[in-house]
Amino acid sequence: NAGVMQNPRHLVRRRGQEARLRCSPMKGHSHVYWYRQLPEEGLKFMVYLQKENIIDESGMPKERFSAEFPKEGPSILRIQQVVRGDSAAYFCASSRTGTGVYEQYFGPGTRLTVT
Amino acid sequence: AQSVSQHNHHVILSEAASLELGCNYSYGGTVNLFWYVQYPGQHLQLLLKYFSGDPLVKGIKGFEAEFIKSKFSFNLRKPSVQWSDTAEYFCAVNARGSQGNLIFGKGTKLSVKP
Repeated sequence: NAGVMQNPRHLVRRRGQEARLRCSPMKGHSHVYWYRQLPEEGLKFMVYLQKENIIDESGMPKERFSAEFPKEGPSILRIQQVVRGDSAAYFCASSRTGTGVYEQYFGPGTRLTVT
Repeated sequence: AQSVSQHNHHVILSEAASLELGCNYSYGGTVNLFWYVQYPGQHLQLLLKYFSGDPLVKGIKGFEAEFIKSKFSFNLRKPSVQWSDTAEYFCAVNARGSQGNLIFGKGTKLSVKP
């Protein structure tokens, strides 16, 4: 019974490159959330997706960041033209439903380092 | 806007000491409340949750938390900590009936001395 899977676990990019982070939700879960954790900070919500739909992207930076959750395959968080300030741990969570009473299960995270 | 405050940034205890970590949230409606733990190098794991019913909830590893609605608080407690409880603890909230995201506190690092 696999949990939430994220890859890669560690990603190093030079400034200006693109970063792609992948998240496969738990079996039976169709709701995916991305969070960012900066040093000494709690997790900050970025985006909430269901299959083929972005439900809430209120936490996403306006530029360079995008997310998708296609009908087949993992959810992808894409960061274009990375800058040093993008260095953080990016966590994905999934849930069975997205309203009412539910809990989110977290993946191990991807630690992005921008050099 | 909703927010979550965790009062202690870093707590240092000796083994067998009692633990209480504070968590307050700001939101006037019905909420779901959570405590997550992040052990060094690992991902977040759910310690316990409160949805409704008995305001004293018990979680894994001997942890419990009490929801006090009038104080907008959800403090985490453990009577006797162990070295293996060394971790970072996050309180999180989401508004019942809303979609999506959890609002997290900044976390409390707990260091337990053997």
